[in-house]
Amino acid sequence: AQTVTQSQPEMSVQEAETVTLSCTYDTSESDYYLFWYKQPPSRQMILVIRQEAYKQQNATENRFSVNFQKAAKSFSLKISDSQLGDAAMYFCAYRSAGGTSYGKLTFGQGTILTVHP
Amino acid sequence: DTAVSQTPKYLVTQMGNDKSIKCEQNLGHDTMYWYKQDSKKFLKIMFSYNNKELIINETVPNRFSPKSPDKAHLNLHINSLELGDSAVYFCASSRPGVLWPQHFGDGTRLSIL
Repeated sequence: AQTVTQSQPEMSVQEAETVTLSCTYDTSESDYYLFWYKQPPSRQMILVIRQEAYKQQNATENRFSVNFQKAAKSFSLKISDSQLGDAAMYFCAYRSAGGTSYGKLTFGQGTILTVHP
Repeated sequence: DTAVSQTPKYLVTQMGNDKSIKCEQNLGHDTMYWYKQDSKKFLKIMFSYNNKELIINETVPNRFSPKSPDKAHLNLHINSLELGDSAVYFCASSRPGVLWPQHFGDGTRLSIL
């Protein structure tokens, strides 16, 4: 079974600065997808960014980018120019590309991000 | 237009009661999921349906029974509610195939008194 670990229960950053959230995962599969989801206090689950394991290029979405290290099984999220609206809980998630998992997401424990003005 | 909608958003009830949570998606997706987020915010898959057929059932007590009348709806019925069932329940949907991301509803907070 796959596991996802987020070792930072809480992180904080000053507005306009950069912060990196860590995620590691354990799998024996070679093909899979990785995601970062944001959950603000409103409870919504919002997709931030995704990475296909077969792609070497790191995904970017505006101020959000990832550092995907397949050999190290590491998938960190970098938030540049942090904004107050970035304050939320962030979840790293794994999704097998194999048919038997039927696309279910396996989540990490989450990291609470606080943004200070 | 809400893509994945759950009702109710909040549900407060007593131990031993039976309750249902409804989920509807208007995205035309074939696959729908139920996740449970516990008091420590940990999210875990419970069930998944693909085109009305159950495809994932993760060691969930028999008191939980999902029902999918059509591919746009996936309801969750819970019998004999227990204190440990208090959680936020999320419905999600996606296109078939693992490439596509899952779209989540806003969650239903279930509180057992």
